[in-house]
Amino acid sequence: QVQLVQSGAEVKKPGASVKVSCKASGYTFNGYYMHWVRQAPGQGLEWMGRINPNSGGTNYAQKFQGRVTMTRDTSISTVYMELTSLRSDDTAVYYCARVVSTTQLPILNYWGQGTLVTVSS
Amino acid sequence: EIVLTQSPGTLSLSPGERATLSCRASQTVGSTYLAWYQQKPGQAPRLLIFGASSRATGIPDRFSGSGSGTDFILTISRLEPEDFAVYYCQQYGNSPQTFGQGTKLEIK
Repeated sequence: QVQLVQSGAEVKKPGASVKVSCKASGYTFNGYYMHWVRQAPGQGLEWMGRINPNSGGTNYAQKFQGRVTMTRDTSISTVYMELTSLRSDDTAVYYCARVVSTTQLPILNYWGQGTLVTVSS
Repeated sequence: EIVLTQSPGTLSLSPGERATLSCRASQTVGSTYLAWYQQKPGQAPRLLIFGASSRATGIPDRFSGSGSGTDFILTISRLEPEDFAVYYCQQYGNSPQTFGQGTKLEIK
């Protein structure tokens, strides 16, 4: 069965960086795009970007351009999301989510458990 | 980018009642590329509907989606206790994909 297991909670100071991992299992890793979505406390869902695990190609939401980097390590079926220059309003739960089919349409059917990133001085 | 506005913000109903949730887009959503997700506290979102009206695998048939263009509806025909949650719509027909702000469905 498809599983996405994310790394644990992080506490960071303003200006620091965070790197969240998402380990996939139960399917062909290279075959499905992976997206990152975040959710601030008590707020809605915000799309950050996506990575093609096969090529490593990425697309980022304009809001995060220059601050976010998504990468992958195919040898261990893991994708990463790094966010730099953290601010207090980056405090959120960060989710990785896999698309439902090889059409790669961003219909997100499988989600990680979420990683809470807290930015506080 | 397309802005999705969901209404109402909160819907208070009783089990067994019918729920109607609305999602309105600021521009036409291409190819009816609209999805609905359910999220319970402390959990990741769960895909319910894609392509405006297709149920995802394992989703009960009391959930249905409809609409096109700029106006979309999620209907839950008879509410079960486990249906009380927050619901989000998402458009993926135009880049960047965007989500609505959510509708909280609470027990009356």
